[in-house]
Amino acid sequence: DVKVTQSSRYLVKRTGEKVFLECVQDMDHENMFWYRQDPGLGLRLIYFSYDVKMKEKGDIPEGYSVSREKKERFSLILESASTNQTSMYLCASSLGGASPYEQYFGPGTRLTVT
Amino acid sequence: EDQVTQSPEALRLQEGESSSLNCSYTVSGLRGLFWYRQDPGKGPEFLFTLYSAGEEKEKERLKATLTKKESFLHITAPKPEDSATYLCAVQATGRRALTFGSGTRLQVQP
Repeated sequence: DVKVTQSSRYLVKRTGEKVFLECVQDMDHENMFWYRQDPGLGLRLIYFSYDVKMKEKGDIPEGYSVSREKKERFSLILESASTNQTSMYLCASSLGGASPYEQYFGPGTRLTVT
Repeated sequence: EDQVTQSPEALRLQEGESSSLNCSYTVSGLRGLFWYRQDPGKGPEFLFTLYSAGEEKEKERLKATLTKKESFLHITAPKPEDSATYLCAVQATGRRALTFGSGTRLQVQP
């Protein structure tokens, strides 16, 4: 079974702090994704990566950056956390290539910025 | 711009009362349509992928169907453990990422 793990289930940070969210997958997937999920807005894509050191902006990249130094690990960075970044953050991974492969999700990190 | 609209937003059923959830989509070209189940406080769990109009897939009490403009998730004789939010997503031609709908929150009462 595909397993996607996230470093924290719950996180509380202060405004202005630098925040790191880590995601690890164990299935050698090429693609990795970061979403945030908010009530009424669904899942919105922040960034994704299709290879080591490669990244593309999603729909809402402002205020975020990412890092992928190893194939199995994809990090989301909040350079200076703000209260409007309080949300559920979900990491996902999938196979790469031309076919529409399903994404497998981690358990999520609920981040509160105070 | 790719769009996915799910209806209803919320649905309450009695145990055994069959129903359908709708997912309408607008994409330039469809590579795949995905259904996920999400329990409160957890990540979405993959259910089905549909690739072309007319395709159907089944898993236990769930059956997903696809037309050129929408997909249905049929739930036959649901049980309380089917209570969850069901998410629909599409992948458009030339895109790696998925576009998600806002989901249908299903509650099945015993």
